[in-house]
Amino acid sequence: AQKVTQAQTEISVVEKEDVTLDCVYETRDTTYYLFWYKQPPSGELVFLIRRNSFDEQNEISGRYSWNFQKSTSSFNFTITASQVVDSAVYFCALSGIIQGAQKLVFGQGTRLTINP
Amino acid sequence: NAGVTQTPKFRILKIGQSMTLQCAQDMNHNYMYWYRQDPGMGLKLIYYSVGAGITDKGEVPNGYNVSRSTTEDFPLRLELAAPSQTSVYFCASRAPLAGVYEQYFGPGTRLTVT
Repeated sequence: AQKVTQAQTEISVVEKEDVTLDCVYETRDTTYYLFWYKQPPSGELVFLIRRNSFDEQNEISGRYSWNFQKSTSSFNFTITASQVVDSAVYFCALSGIIQGAQKLVFGQGTRLTINP
Repeated sequence: NAGVTQTPKFRILKIGQSMTLQCAQDMNHNYMYWYRQDPGMGLKLIYYSVGAGITDKGEVPNGYNVSRSTTEDFPLRLELAAPSQTSVYFCASRAPLAGVYEQYFGPGTRLTVT
């Protein structure tokens, strides 16, 4: 069975601090995909990044960066120089592919609060 | 493109009532999904569809039904609503293209059953 654990339920930092959100996953699939989604206070889900199991390169997009390590089954997300607009709930998710479909398994989410 | 749209945005049901949550997408996506998000929790898959006429159960299908008569629409039916179905419901869709795996979500429907 697939499982995603986001051990940090809530994080609160002061603006401009760096913050890392942890994600640990479990799967028996050799091919799988990892995702991060952002859920701002307005409630919608915003796709941030996708990574497949064969691509362990870290990725940077502006102030966001992701560290994928298969050896520790982790896919951590770092926000550099955080801003108040980064306040949201962040979800890590995992999927395999079954008959062309994709079933996402979500972690419980980390509520990030950036204080001015 | 409007993307993924859901109606209604909010609804209050009495125990035992039924309703249909509407979901539509205008991106010609084959794959569509229904999730529920309970307070303080991640999303859980209720049902999904790989194309018109084809649906299958997800992790938490009990108490729900779906149909997919067109590519665009994927309604979720609640029969005999129960307080345990109080949740936020999200519909999502995904492109049929190989190598494209991210799902795009609608704005959600907040349902309260009392």
